Amino acid sequence: NAGVTQTPKFQVLKTGQSMTLQCAQDMNHEYMSWYRQDPGMGLRLIHYSVGAGITDQGEVPNGYNVSRSTTEDFPLRLLSAAPSQTSVYFCASSYSGQGGGYTFGSGTRLTVV
Amino acid sequence: EDKVVQSPLSLVVHEGDTVTLNCSYEVTNFRSLLWYKQEKKAPTFLFMLTSSGIEKKSGRLSSILDKKELFSILNITATQTGDSAVYLCAAAPQGGSEKLVFGKGTKLTVNP
Repeated sequence: NAGVTQTPKFQVLKTGQSMTLQCAQDMNHEYMSWYRQDPGMGLRLIHYSVGAGITDQGEVPNGYNVSRSTTEDFPLRLLSAAPSQTSVYFCASSYSGQGGGYTFGSGTRLTVV
Repeated sequence: EDKVVQSPLSLVVHEGDTVTLNCSYEVTNFRSLLWYKQEKKAPTFLFMLTSSGIEKKSGRLSSILDKKELFSILNITATQTGDSAVYLCAAAPQGGSEKLVFGKGTKLTVNP
């Protein structure tokens, strides 16, 4: 049981490049979310999904796209990377409506130069 | 705008001390309050609180929620160096926990 798996762990991009951060979970969780964590800012919600085919925007969605074609996978796409997107990105999943919080992946540290 | 405020932002104690971390929230249609511990990497879940006045305990950690005054506390007794971490508080609105609002965290350092 791997839990929530994020790849890559580290990435350096040039301004304007695009890339996809991968997230997969094997717990059959309905809910999945992407957060970014910046120094002094806590965790901020980018996009979330309550099930396959359903996604919605969080607090800071600009510059990011998501899709949820399967229950297991929830990739985050950076369309045209900017230095302001330098951050640590966490993917998380949970059962819907049940007690207990999210299970987080180990994070992707992204640097945009 | 929904917000969660944690205090203090940073705390340094000696092993064996007892600490209290604070979390206040203003969230539309509040449903539950969650606490996480973050060491080097991913946050790990500690507690979820939904009802006022009911303490949840796990070993030396305990937490309680006050829905009238809109705050929660996390207590750690007999602290150990392994308790050193950032403790995150998050509020979940009605309709599901998919839209958590996090505080900035309290960085706890426990010195031997």
